[in-house]
Amino acid sequence: GENVEQHPSTLSVQEGDSAVIKCTYSDSASNYFPWYKQELGKRPQLIIDIRSNVGEKKDQRIAVTLNKTAKHFSLHITETQPEDSAVYFCAASMVSADGLTFGKGTHLIIQP
Amino acid sequence: EPEVTQTPSHQVTQMGQEVILRCVPISNHLYFYWYRQILGQKVEFLVSFYNNEISEKSEIFDDQFSVERPDGSNFTLKIRSTKLEDSAMYFCASRVAAGELFFGEGSRLTVL
Repeated sequence: GENVEQHPSTLSVQEGDSAVIKCTYSDSASNYFPWYKQELGKRPQLIIDIRSNVGEKKDQRIAVTLNKTAKHFSLHITETQPEDSAVYFCAASMVSADGLTFGKGTHLIIQP
Repeated sequence: EPEVTQTPSHQVTQMGQEVILRCVPISNHLYFYWYRQILGQKVEFLVSFYNNEISEKSEIFDDQFSVERPDGSNFTLKIRSTKLEDSAMYFCASRVAAGELFFGEGSRLTVL
């Protein structure tokens, strides 16, 4: 089955700086890669996703890049703000209707 | 905005007891899921359900677990004989075939 590794487990950045979270996956057949943000005690919420037919996708301050050859994808958050503080999970699946395999999460801390 | 709703929000049970967690997916969604999250850990896939049958299940989803869609709106997860290690937050999720996965608020299960 699919295995997703995520790094780092904790990331502390100064407000206004950029944050990058990286994930690798094992199953070359995976083609759907979403990122979820989970605030303390809340449900995971999708912030951005990418499919394997594109290498990069951007939505305002958030971008995701995908390297299918190397089987890794990354989340980039620019101009970080206090409300970006949360746990971020990457995930992968073979098709978008399959069960997602999640990474272990990155606790992003934005220092004022 | 339509939401996935879950009940109960918190259930405390004795080890060995049966538990049923209930979910109402978003009405036009076709794929339904259960995930669990042990406190402080990653979100783990349990089972996916489509067209009134299980389409995929993980190793966690053993014979103690079952799912059912008893009517046109509810989607339930039953744990037949709970163990201490079943204590977790259980998230129901649903989606249209190739769309965003929407999570419910979760049901926290505490097994004593």
